[in-house]
Amino acid sequence: GAVVSQHPSRVICKSGTSVKIECRSLDFQATTMFWYRQFPKQSLMLMATSNEGSKATYEQGVEKDKFLINHASLTLSTLTVTSAHPEDSSFYICSAREVRNQETQYFGPGTRLLVL
Amino acid sequence: GQQVMQIPQYQHVQEGEDFTTYCNSSTTLSNIQWYKQRPGGHPVFLIQLVKSGEVKKQKRLTFQFGEAKKNSSLHITATQTTDVGTYFCADRAASGAGSYQLTFGKGTKLSVIP
Repeated sequence: GAVVSQHPSRVICKSGTSVKIECRSLDFQATTMFWYRQFPKQSLMLMATSNEGSKATYEQGVEKDKFLINHASLTLSTLTVTSAHPEDSSFYICSAREVRNQETQYFGPGTRLLVL
Repeated sequence: GQQVMQIPQYQHVQEGEDFTTYCNSSTTLSNIQWYKQRPGGHPVFLIQLVKSGEVKKQKRLTFQFGEAKKNSSLHITATQTTDVGTYFCADRAASGAGSYQLTFGKGTKLSVIP
């Protein structure tokens, strides 16, 4: 089956620093990748849709200058949390859609970010 | 690492028939969450099960957590066309220092034939 990886799985950083999270589709090509954030109420919140070769589409309320997304290839999307603050501490999950099968999403294992 | 297996991958049912998807792990599951994703949409949180043997109901949906906490199931009674979508289970487990990780199954895609 299709595999999506995320790196790092866990990161602790100081307030004010930037953190980059990678999302890779390991055995398929993904024209579209999604970035989610999970809040304490346990629901996934879609942050942005990342399309290969074009600018990401951000959901309402998500600061695009704060959460930089780059989808440079069909197998890699990155989310950079710039000038991170403690309130950015959260669980970030990516998912990817195959080029050939647009109805199925494959989820990565997630990245836990803790900003001190 | 943690692996969550979900079966079946696909299920086609006639409207009115029942449907069940199963989530299994070789290791003990911590907390099981279930999500529904409509075609073209994004996963929507349905429920979380925490206790061994727990059973919860939401209208026609029944969620169960196995006694050994190694499996979980979602059962839909008398399916309707609005039930179409992909159902994901996910294990929410602690990963140290107060953090947690979410491991998703690959999902079961449900089609309902009117």
